[in-house]
Amino acid sequence: AAGVIQSPRHLIKEKRETATLKCYPIPRHDTVYWYQQGPGQDPQFLISFYEKMQSDKGSIPDRFSAQQFSDYHSELNMSSLELGDSALYFCASSLIGWGQVAKNIQYFGAGTRLSVL
Amino acid sequence: SQQGEEDPQALSIQEGENATMNCSYKTSINNLQWYRQNSGRGLVHLILIRSNEREKHSGRLRVTLDTSKKSSSLLITASRAADTASYFCATGDSGYALNFGKGTSLLVTP
Repeated sequence: AAGVIQSPRHLIKEKRETATLKCYPIPRHDTVYWYQQGPGQDPQFLISFYEKMQSDKGSIPDRFSAQQFSDYHSELNMSSLELGDSALYFCASSLIGWGQVAKNIQYFGAGTRLSVL
Repeated sequence: SQQGEEDPQALSIQEGENATMNCSYKTSINNLQWYRQNSGRGLVHLILIRSNEREKHSGRLRVTLDTSKKSSSLLITASRAADTASYFCATGDSGYALNFGKGTSLLVTP
């Protein structure tokens, strides 16, 4: 079965540079989520999109932005990178749909490891 | 974490033993989930328990939920070396963010 695909898997950037992370959700999933996980930490929610519209927002810095495109893939854009942005970034997708019992089971990609030097 | 703590933070057992990890949360919930994460990899959904359920089983996994104490436990029976991973509880309504606990790092030695 198709899973959530993230690219790139690894990314090395220098301070003040920009980075773009891509996420391709499971086909027919209507919701995409972005999470940040620092070393030894639990994942922290950044932002989500339902049917290409922003649906929820967490602790996403103003330097970051995200969008979901017509083909449902999503991109997380990060500017003015700081050392503290070094982390694993996960994308997850789920099918909320309608007329179904809501479960909120999310399917995660393998993540992008961002290192800011 | 927005939800609470998991304990223990780390657990080391031998193959064949049972592993129990606990999770507490702060707000009222509709359901609670457990996810597994192998080192540096993505999270994998293990099991979901609804707020009106007290216990749920899936293979070697048993989850309990006590909404009066705002706590849940995950029991892995007859553990295997391949169970070595971090385990997180998570709460959140459908379509919204998952709020994760701090996680328990489980090491199962042969």
